[in-house]
Amino acid sequence: GESVGLHLPTLSVQEGDNSIINCAYSNSASDYFIWYKQESGKGPQFIIDIRSNMDKRQGQRVTVLLNKTVKHLSLQIAATQPGDSAVYFCAEQNNAGNMLTFGGGTRLMVKP
Amino acid sequence: AAGVIQSPRHLIKEKRETATLKCYPIPRHDTVYWYQQGPGQDPQFLISFYEKMQSDKGSIPDRFSAQQFSDYHSELNMSSLELGDSALYFCASSSFSTGTKQFFGPGTRLTVL
Repeated sequence: GESVGLHLPTLSVQEGDNSIINCAYSNSASDYFIWYKQESGKGPQFIIDIRSNMDKRQGQRVTVLLNKTVKHLSLQIAATQPGDSAVYFCAEQNNAGNMLTFGGGTRLMVKP
Repeated sequence: AAGVIQSPRHLIKEKRETATLKCYPIPRHDTVYWYQQGPGQDPQFLISFYEKMQSDKGSIPDRFSAQQFSDYHSELNMSSLELGDSALYFCASSSFSTGTKQFFGPGTRLTVL
């Protein structure tokens, strides 16, 4: 994914609704993908990860879907809560297992 | 649980000055990573260290250097600061037991005037 600069795409949802955040990744050799949540002034916080040999993984209220054919990741948040408001980044890592390459962030705003 | 510690949390410098950012990884983590995040942008990988040796290098300017010490803490040294160096600098750490999962610190906000 490319940086979106100063204008982050924003997803606005009503509290209790489900949220879907999408991300396109760039390297077909990447074999590990992570979603991070970043609140204002804080460091990225790990949410959920998935390896390239899977196409779906579920956590508590979150699901990550991986479509390797089109190099697309999505994060689904069930019953979105005000505390979910943050910027969400996807990140990819290749089989060297080291540096993370972040995709463009999406700002999630939850309306009470 | 102990987290990654970064110091200072905020730093203000003038152009052409130097700065040193410190990172203390989670106990028993042997790998540290540095990332730079400009306003409204994605974190960009700078450099990483494993067992005190540089393991990977990203878009780190030649004016910057870093090292990892015997206690596994790391320092990012930045010289001849430019206005464009103003950013959040994150350190992350990992270990064999965490696999590829990186845990991020709270960041240092550097402002260059």
